[in-house]
Amino acid sequence: AQSVTQPDIHITVSEGASLELRCNYSYGATPYLFWYVQSPGQGLQLLLKYFSGDTLVQGIKGFEAEFKRSQSSFNLRKPSVHWSDAAEYFCAVGAGDTGRRALTFGSGTRLQVQP
Amino acid sequence: GAGVSQSPRYKVAKRGQDVALRCDPISGHVSLFWYQQALGQGPEFLTYFQNEAQLDKSGLPSDRFFAERPEGSVSTLKIQRTQQEDSAVYLCASSQYGTGSADTQYFGPGTRLTVL
Repeated sequence: AQSVTQPDIHITVSEGASLELRCNYSYGATPYLFWYVQSPGQGLQLLLKYFSGDTLVQGIKGFEAEFKRSQSSFNLRKPSVHWSDAAEYFCAVGAGDTGRRALTFGSGTRLQVQP
Repeated sequence: GAGVSQSPRYKVAKRGQDVALRCDPISGHVSLFWYQQALGQGPEFLTYFQNEAQLDKSGLPSDRFFAERPEGSVSTLKIQRTQQEDSAVYLCASSQYGTGSADTQYFGPGTRLTVL
């Protein structure tokens, strides 16, 4: 069975500072990995996804993530955080081309941005 | 439409009442998913449709939960005899194809269900 761990429940950073949100996954084969963002009262919006190839993937809003198979990690990064980035961030894993189509999500990391 | 829509956005039910939650996916999308998001948690899978066929209902927590998508577009999630533990945000997502999890899922804003 696949699972996702987001070790940080809540992170506070200053506007303009860099950001890294941690995600560790458990899956027996090569996973499909996703980062979603959820603003209050909004649905989840896809930031980026990794399937194969280059382990550093670029997403929307200046976010990037790096897949590290040896560490079973897919951490999300942004070099300079904006106040509008305050939201809840979810890492998710998919089962690949076969099998279960549903995503398994982590419990999320709430990002607070200080002025 | 432009995105996935859900109605109602908020629903308050008394324990024991039946509720029906509606999802309008993006037009033409083959796949439709329902997830349940408890307070402070990530979404958890409930069920999956490919067109009108319900291919996976392994996440439905009990036989009080029922979902349908009779014409392969709009879907309804029904909860019978609601319990307090059913209180959550119910998210609907659709994706363009009926392939694996690589296909991007587009989420609606959710229905917040509160059971008193």
